[in-house]
Amino acid sequence: NAGVTQTPKFQVLKTGQSMTLQCAQDMNHEYMSWYRQDPGMGLRLIHYSVGAGITDQGEVPNGYNVSRSTTEDFPLRLLSAAPSQTSVYFCASTRTSPSYNEQFFGPGTRLTVL
Amino acid sequence: KNQVEQSPQSLIILEGKNCTLQCNYTVSPFSNLRWYKQDTGRGPVSLTIMTFSENTKSNGRYTATLDADTKQSSLHITASQLSDSASYICVVSPSPEYGNKLVFGAGTILRVKS
Repeated sequence: NAGVTQTPKFQVLKTGQSMTLQCAQDMNHEYMSWYRQDPGMGLRLIHYSVGAGITDQGEVPNGYNVSRSTTEDFPLRLLSAAPSQTSVYFCASTRTSPSYNEQFFGPGTRLTVL
Repeated sequence: KNQVEQSPQSLIILEGKNCTLQCNYTVSPFSNLRWYKQDTGRGPVSLTIMTFSENTKSNGRYTATLDADTKQSSLHITASQLSDSASYICVVSPSPEYGNKLVFGAGTILRVKS
């Protein structure tokens, strides 16, 4: 199993450009989510999905869109990049159980917006 | 407001020494508490998960404790190794359902010197 994969690993954008961060998992998990990690702060939830065709907003959704057409893929779109979106982005896939859920994180995408 | 606070922010220790990282939380209702290890440039990886009924859990040289009454947890690392250099993140889940409401601490950065 590759687990959770993310591409690209690094990206530099100019203000106003758009792009898509890719995320895929091969563990057949229904639940997937996107976080951003900024210095000195905990990970913050951007969007999440509880299954194909179902998405919802997290704590900091503004400026981002998601879709979930398959169980495996959960791309994150930046519509018009802003310097405030400079961050490290992590995709996570969740294994559910009766006791608790366990999240598996991808390696991250480091995004810089100039 | 649900919060997770970790201390210290950073720590430097000599290889072979022990150390303890602290986590205080004000999350309610409480379901479980997780400790993650995040190597530089990588995504977080789960070390331990404890429900409210567990007060200690070990994973090799890592031992986590939980006091649900005082809402405190600690992560003890025994006989540290250079590979323990990483950020350690405390995460609290207020619900046994899907983890979209996880509350993340900002992390403790540990550096192990030879």
